[in-house]
Amino acid sequence: NAGVMQNPRHLVRRRGQEARLRCSPMKGHSHVYWYRQLPEEGLKFMVYLQKENIIDESGMPKERFSAEFPKEGPSILRIQQVVRGDSAAYFCASSPVAAIEGYTFGSGTRLTVV
Amino acid sequence: AQSVTQLGSHVSVSEGALVLLRCNYSSSVPPYLFWYVQYPNQGLQLLLKYTSAATLVKGINGFEAEFKKSETSFHLTKPSAHMSDAAEYFCAVSVGTNAGKSTFGDGTTLTVKP
Repeated sequence: NAGVMQNPRHLVRRRGQEARLRCSPMKGHSHVYWYRQLPEEGLKFMVYLQKENIIDESGMPKERFSAEFPKEGPSILRIQQVVRGDSAAYFCASSPVAAIEGYTFGSGTRLTVV
Repeated sequence: AQSVTQLGSHVSVSEGALVLLRCNYSSSVPPYLFWYVQYPNQGLQLLLKYTSAATLVKGINGFEAEFKKSETSFHLTKPSAHMSDAAEYFCAVSVGTNAGKSTFGDGTTLTVKP
C-alpha cells in the first residue's frame, strides 16, 4: 500500500531553468495539495487539485508557477525560470475526500537553485 | 480566514517529563484541527485530528489533544516524553466548505534531553 510518492527527492537547477516536481497520490485518493516549506518556516499552502481541476490556487505565485493533475498520471508542479528564492522543500499531500480527515504527505522534493 | 498560532518555536523537556505543545486557532466557523509530526528530511505524519466529535482526542505514539472552544486552543500533550519524540510538530486548521485546504502553524521543535 504505497503512500504518496514524490520525485525526485532532490533537484538542483540553475537560475533560469525549469523545475518539474511530480506527485503520485495514495491509492484511492483523488485530492492533491502542494505546500512549500522554506528553511525555519512552516508549510505554506500553494494549490489544491482534483483530477483535471484546480480547486484552489490562492497560494500560488502569479507568475512562473503552475500545477496540474491530469486524468492519467501524477500531479505536476512546474516552476519556470527558477530563481534562488524558489529553493525550498515542496511537499505534496493527498486525501480521499476534502481533507477533514487529514492529509497523507509525501517525503518532499528539495529544490536547490544555484 | 482561518489561522493557527503555535506558542514557542522550541520546547525542551527531559525524558519522562510531560510534553505540552501549545496551539491556538482563529476561525469564524467550527474548525477541523490537526497535529502533525515531522522528522528530519521526511514528510509530515498525522498524529491526531479533531472533527467535532469528542473534545479529547487520542492519537498515535501516546499523544493526545483537547479542543477547548472557549480558549480557542488545541494543545498537544504526552504524559511521558521519549527520546524518539524529538521532532518538529505542526498544528493545522481547516474550516467550512473549503475544508480541503489546511493552514499550518510555524511549527514547534521538541528536544528531549536524556
